[in-house]
Amino acid sequence: DTEVTQTPKHLVMGMTNKKSLKCEQHMGHRAMYWYKQKAKKPPELMFVYSYEKLSINESVPSRFSPECPNSSLLNLHLHALQPEDSALYLCASSQGGAGTEAFFGQGTRLTVV
Amino acid sequence: EDKVVQSPLSLVVHEGDTVTLNCSYEVTNFRSLLWYKQEKKAPTFLFMLTSSGIEKKSGRLSSILDKKELFSILNITATQTGDSAVYLCAVEGNTGNQFYFGTGTSLTVIP
Repeated sequence: DTEVTQTPKHLVMGMTNKKSLKCEQHMGHRAMYWYKQKAKKPPELMFVYSYEKLSINESVPSRFSPECPNSSLLNLHLHALQPEDSALYLCASSQGGAGTEAFFGQGTRLTVV
Repeated sequence: EDKVVQSPLSLVVHEGDTVTLNCSYEVTNFRSLLWYKQEKKAPTFLFMLTSSGIEKKSGRLSSILDKKELFSILNITATQTGDSAVYLCAVEGNTGNQFYFGTGTSLTVIP
């Protein structure tokens, strides 16, 4: 199983809503990532969890709140988002440590209205 | 500041052509360089390169890394319309577990 599963596939939310994006992997990977990708741009790293602990936060606004309940799950809680936060949100996982490839989920297409 | 730059930004070729995509990087404590293909949604993994001068090959695709000159190339021979995609280069640096993507090369293969 080399799959990273993200739900939902699409999400439309208002600026006052609270929603969560979910990511799951069963490859025993110890590092999990959130990336944000705008149209025609490369993915931008947001957060990295290593062994269920937040190891990297790339100066992401606090309206994005990551959570890693266990080694297989990664959530991204969204609150008071802005229309410019509309993007494809990609989750990835890797074995962790140097020199291991990251596997990506299919992404959640988020639209903030 | 770490930087990953790909060229060209876009490329249109005819089926059967050979293409070379470039990725140059400036990354603190380089660990590895990865190539991904992105069609509609998720980037799919192609190659991981850690050592200079060793070619990785998969079918019509091949890639090589030059750690002295800080670049990698991705070659695609006998291109097909199914090769049309954005090709992303990502570099893992610093403490590891950080993959930074380049700008991407959009490849269009026309019949």
